[in-house]
Amino acid sequence: AQSVTQLGSHVSVSEGALVLLRCNYSSSVPPYLFWYVQYPNQGLQLLLKYTSAATLVKGINGFEAEFKKSETSFHLTKPSAHMRDAAEYFCAVRPSGGSNYKLTFGKGTLLTVNP
Amino acid sequence: GAGVSQSPSNKVTEKGKDVELRCDPISGHTALYWYRQSLGQGLEFLIYFQGNSAPDKSGLPSDRFSAERTGGSVSTLTIQRTQQEDSAVYLCASSEDTHQPQHFGDGTRLSIL
Repeated sequence: AQSVTQLGSHVSVSEGALVLLRCNYSSSVPPYLFWYVQYPNQGLQLLLKYTSAATLVKGINGFEAEFKKSETSFHLTKPSAHMRDAAEYFCAVRPSGGSNYKLTFGKGTLLTVNP
Repeated sequence: GAGVSQSPSNKVTEKGKDVELRCDPISGHTALYWYRQSLGQGLEFLIYFQGNSAPDKSGLPSDRFSAERTGGSVSTLTIQRTQQEDSAVYLCASSEDTHQPQHFGDGTRLSIL
């Protein structure tokens, strides 16, 4: 069984400030981990993925995430927030083997960026 | 290149009616997935297709829900005798195979009156 917990349903930052969105996972097998972003009335866009290569993963739009096995975490960061980063962010987990197609999502974190 | 296309983008219907939601995956993607996004439940997996076969239908909420895929391409999700609790955004995703990341469409927002 696998699950994802995103701490904070709503995060608010000022433009130019650090963005930190938290994600912790629980998985009985080594997982693959993903961050998706959803803008209003749109689908999910893949930001980045961890698939057991480098633990620090760089994605699009200046985001990155670090896989920490000891902490079962995969937090998403961006050094300097832009207004266009305002969206909802979802962390997702998938087993790396077996029936490895099913994504399990966290509840999402709504990011607000203040001018 | 075209992404995953879903239609209609919005659907409003009366309780008890049947609805069909369509998904056109990215060309060449053999795997196709349906998810449901609702306020109370978040994002839930519904069904997975590999080619035209559905090895996993475990997420379908009830026997009112069914899905098919033809020609290894277009998929249709059908909800019969709709209920108000079926109101949600239905998202379709596709991937080259199950090892590759899933690419999502913009979804169909379904509202049951």
